[in-house]
Amino acid sequence: DQQVKQNSPSLSVQEGRISILNCDYTNSMFDYFLWYKKYPAEGPTFLISISSIKDKNEDGRFTVFLNKSAKHLSLHIVPSQPGDSAVYFCAASEDFGNEKLTFGTGTRLTIIP
Amino acid sequence: EAQVTQNPRYLITVTGKKLTVTCSQNMNHEYMSWYRQDPGLGLRQIYYSMNVEVTDKGDVPEGYKVSRKEKRNFPLILESPSPNQTSLYFCASSFLSSGTDTQYFGPGTRLTVL
Repeated sequence: DQQVKQNSPSLSVQEGRISILNCDYTNSMFDYFLWYKKYPAEGPTFLISISSIKDKNEDGRFTVFLNKSAKHLSLHIVPSQPGDSAVYFCAASEDFGNEKLTFGTGTRLTIIP
Repeated sequence: EAQVTQNPRYLITVTGKKLTVTCSQNMNHEYMSWYRQDPGLGLRQIYYSMNVEVTDKGDVPEGYKVSRKEKRNFPLILESPSPNQTSLYFCASSFLSSGTDTQYFGPGTRLTVL
């Protein structure tokens, strides 16, 4: 059973506009969430994280929003740039410090120049 | 250069022939982990290690073995590979003994089992 789902396998966005990537989870014990970005032929790289005690975390052009009651998080990229074209994975854990990490299915983002 | 290295990068083998994928990190990280990436399934954790001689199962450990005899190395062993283990494999490490600390991933090993 997929505990972390990204229901959009792909997304295309015009350069300069906002990209919104969504992630849903089913395990109510999850309370620490991360986003990783992956370019072709490379390993994933960490992007941003959020703890359940917050509902928003920003880092430059990237903002993650968490809605615990809906078991939903989203990643906003504003403005979108061609270099943002990649596969994005959300990931969840039962707490910061937990050894296990559960990744989602991934969303391929394409930024159109 | 701080990095996670995996070898080989590409491997084609046959069912039942034992193989080892090596993983090494030069950052003195406590935590290491193996993942496999499959279309429509994303990344799934196979095994992880919080420190030398300490390993535990992830979500999909069946058919795999690991060992952590030295801090820097975390090999993934397939004793009797089967076609359903055809996948893209990633090794990762992090400074803290935690999966939620920033993980640094290797470049991946693409394995095909015929």
